[in-house]
Order: sequence, then C-alpha cells, then structure tokens
Amino acid sequence: AQSVTQLGSHVSVSEGALVLLRCNYSSSVPPYLFWYVQYPNQGLQLLLKYTTGATLVKGINGFEAEFKKSETSFHLTKPSAHMSDAAEYFCAVSDGPGNQFYFGTGTSLTVIP
Amino acid sequence: NAGVTQTPKFQVLKTGQSMTLQCAQDMNHEYMSWYRQDPGMGLRLIHYSVGAGITDQGEVPNGYNVSRSTTEDFPLRLLSAAPSQTSVYFCASRGTGTNQPQHFGDGTRLSIL
Repeated sequence: AQSVTQLGSHVSVSEGALVLLRCNYSSSVPPYLFWYVQYPNQGLQLLLKYTTGATLVKGINGFEAEFKKSETSFHLTKPSAHMSDAAEYFCAVSDGPGNQFYFGTGTSLTVIP
Repeated sequence: NAGVTQTPKFQVLKTGQSMTLQCAQDMNHEYMSWYRQDPGMGLRLIHYSVGAGITDQGEVPNGYNVSRSTTEDFPLRLLSAAPSQTSVYFCASRGTGTNQPQHFGDGTRLSIL
C-alpha cells in the first residue's frame, strides 16, 4: 500500500519568506503525486500534480513542487509567502487500481505579518 | 459548472439516529469517494465507487453504507449515528485514469450528540 508522510503539522513563516512544506511517500510503483490546499470551512482544491515528465511542477498561486525519486519526496515550495497562503496543505499519492488516494495528515501554514 | 455538490452543509444528530449525506457531481466522472476528516488524521477513505452499481470499502467503512445507482449521485448513509462519527465529510469525484485529480465538494459538518 501507498503511504504519505508530511513532516511538520504546523509551519509558520513571515510574509515574504520562503515556504517549504515537506512530503515523503512510499510506493512500490511510479506514483502520481498531488498537493491540495484547504481554506477554512472549504473543501480541498488542487494546487498541482505530478504524473510523468518534468520533475519540477508548477501550480497555482505561485507554488511549485519537485519530484525526487531518489529521495521519495515531493516537497512544496513558494519563494515568497503571502498572507492569503495561510491554509491547510495536503500531499496525496494515487496508486493504480480503483480510486485509492492516500493523503498525508496535513500541514497548517501560518503566515506572520 | 457546479462540480461536486454536497448537502447538507451542517447537521446535528442524536446518537442512534440515521441520516443520508447527499453527493452529486455533474462532470460525468466514473470514480466517486467519501472521506472523513478529523483533526491530526488527514482524510480517511470511507467508501468509494468506480462506476454505477459498483462500490467498495475504504479504510474506515464501519457504520456507513453507500450505493451508486447513477453516475451522478453517491449518497452516504449513517445507519445508527455514534459520537465517534462526528466529523467533516467530503465527497470527491475524478475521471478515469490514475493521474486524474480528485475534485472535492465543500463538505458536510456533522455533529453527533
């Protein structure tokens, strides 16, 4: 089975600072990897996804993530944090059959003015 | 484009009561899923469906039933509500292919007294 580990349940950054949210996965097959964002009292929105091809993936709102197979990682970054980035972020991996998505436990991002 | 629609948005039940959480999608997606979200535990898969007439259990299926009579609808039934089922429930759908992202509804916030 797949699994996802998000290091750090809470991350605080200053406005304008680099955002780095960590995600590691375990997979016996080439994974499909996703980052979602959840704003308070809302559902999850797709930020970006990696399927095949270029390992550096750009998403919405200035976020990007790099797939590193050797490190089994898919960390999410943004060069300069904005107050509107404060939210919960989830990393997810998809396996082959059926509809199995495996989610990490989430990282809550706080942006300090 | 409505996407994934969940009703109701909020519900309070007494222990032992039954109810149905509704989920409808207008994207003609084959795959639909129900998750529950609890603090510190991320999203856990309850049940999923790979098409009309086909359902299967996820990670935490006990106490819940589902059916899929049409492509559009995937209701989740609580047979006899328990306080442990207090949670936020999300319905999601996606197209065929393992690299397709999940599309989420806005959630149903359920409290069991």
